[in-house]
Amino acid sequence: AQSVTQLGSHVSVSEGALVLLRCNYSSSVPPYLFWYVQYPNQGLQLLLKYTTGATLVKGINGFEAEFKKSETSFHLTKPSAHMSDAAEYFCAVTTPGQNFVFGPGTRLSVLP
Amino acid sequence: GAVVSQHPSWVICKSGTSVKIECRSLDFQATTMFWYRQFPKQSLMLMATSNEGSKATYEQGVEKDKFLINHASLTLSTLTVTSAHPEDSSFYICSARDGSNYGYTFGSGTRLTVV
Repeated sequence: AQSVTQLGSHVSVSEGALVLLRCNYSSSVPPYLFWYVQYPNQGLQLLLKYTTGATLVKGINGFEAEFKKSETSFHLTKPSAHMSDAAEYFCAVTTPGQNFVFGPGTRLSVLP
Repeated sequence: GAVVSQHPSWVICKSGTSVKIECRSLDFQATTMFWYRQFPKQSLMLMATSNEGSKATYEQGVEKDKFLINHASLTLSTLTVTSAHPEDSSFYICSARDGSNYGYTFGSGTRLTVV
């Protein structure tokens, strides 16, 4: 079975500061990993995904994530936070033939 | 890019009535669609997997007679909440595989409030 944990249900950063949202997964086979963003009362928008190949994945809006198999992690980073980054972020894992499993989410607040 | 349209965005209904939510893939064919439920400040929970032309596969604990899913075409899946009760109030989100490498596109969600 797969699972996802996100350390920190709420993260606050100052505008311009580094954003680091943590995601750890559990999977018995090589996983496919995703980060989604959700704004209030909206669906999910894909930020980036890792399936195979390069372990450092660049996504939209300046976000990137690095797949570290040894640490079973897929942390999301952005060098400089913007006010518009305030939202809920979900990490998700899947493997071939399996459904998505979402993490509990991390709410990102950006302080002026 | 792939777009999934979900309607309505929000709906208020009386207890005992039924509500239908539509999920359409606008620019691609979706043989498989997924329905999720999200409670406030919580993550998404998969309710069922909808397959075009066949019966949906429901997750454990989801009442198939209460949450009717119909996937009659390659671009449309519907979720009908039958005999709705206040505890059915939630945010419902659909998604579809868009044909890219493990690409899943999500709809904008439907806020259901049962009064």
